Amino acid sequence: DVKVTQSSRYLVKRTGEKVFLECVQDMDHENMFWYRQDPGLGLRLIYFSYDVKMKEKGDIPEGYSVSREKKERFSLILESASTNQTSMYLCASSLDSQNRLSQYFGPGTRLTVT
Amino acid sequence: AQSVAQPEDQVNVAEGNPLTVKCTYSVSGNPYLFWYVQYPNRGLQFLLKYITGDNLVKGSYGFEAEFNKSQTSFHLKKPSALVSDSALYFCAVRDSRKAAGNKLTFGGGTRVLVKP
Repeated sequence: DVKVTQSSRYLVKRTGEKVFLECVQDMDHENMFWYRQDPGLGLRLIYFSYDVKMKEKGDIPEGYSVSREKKERFSLILESASTNQTSMYLCASSLDSQNRLSQYFGPGTRLTVT
Repeated sequence: AQSVAQPEDQVNVAEGNPLTVKCTYSVSGNPYLFWYVQYPNRGLQFLLKYITGDNLVKGSYGFEAEFNKSQTSFHLKKPSALVSDSALYFCAVRDSRKAAGNKLTFGGGTRVLVKP
């Protein structure tokens, strides 16, 4: 089974802090994604990566950056956390294959910025 | 641009009754369509997908979905709902054209409550 793990289930940070969210997948997937989930808004894509050191902006990249130094690890960085970044953050990975398009999700990190 | 609409925030159904969760989509090319489920305090789990072929797709836990191109819909169905089906359901779409990238666009989610 594919396993996607996220470094923390719950995180509380103060406004202005730098925040790192880590995601690791163990199935050699090329693609990795960061989403935030908010009630009524579903999942919105923040950034994604289709290869090591490659990244592309999603729909809501403002206030975030990412890093992918190794294939299995994709980090989301909040340079200066703000209260409107309080949310559930979900990481996902997928194969870059026409027949294997499903994304596999981690358990999520619920971030509260106070 | 691609988009997904799930018109119902919540669906209530009695155990044993049929369950339908609605989804409509908009995409420039041909769609790849997905349903995911999120149980309380859990991550999203893949249920089923439509890529090509038979319009009726069968997935996990007895769920199925029907792709209707003319109505641009991909409604999720289960003939007989269980209390354990109570969860948050997300529909997602991806443009099949490779140039469009691997981005999935999700709907806002529909909460399903199955009452005993």
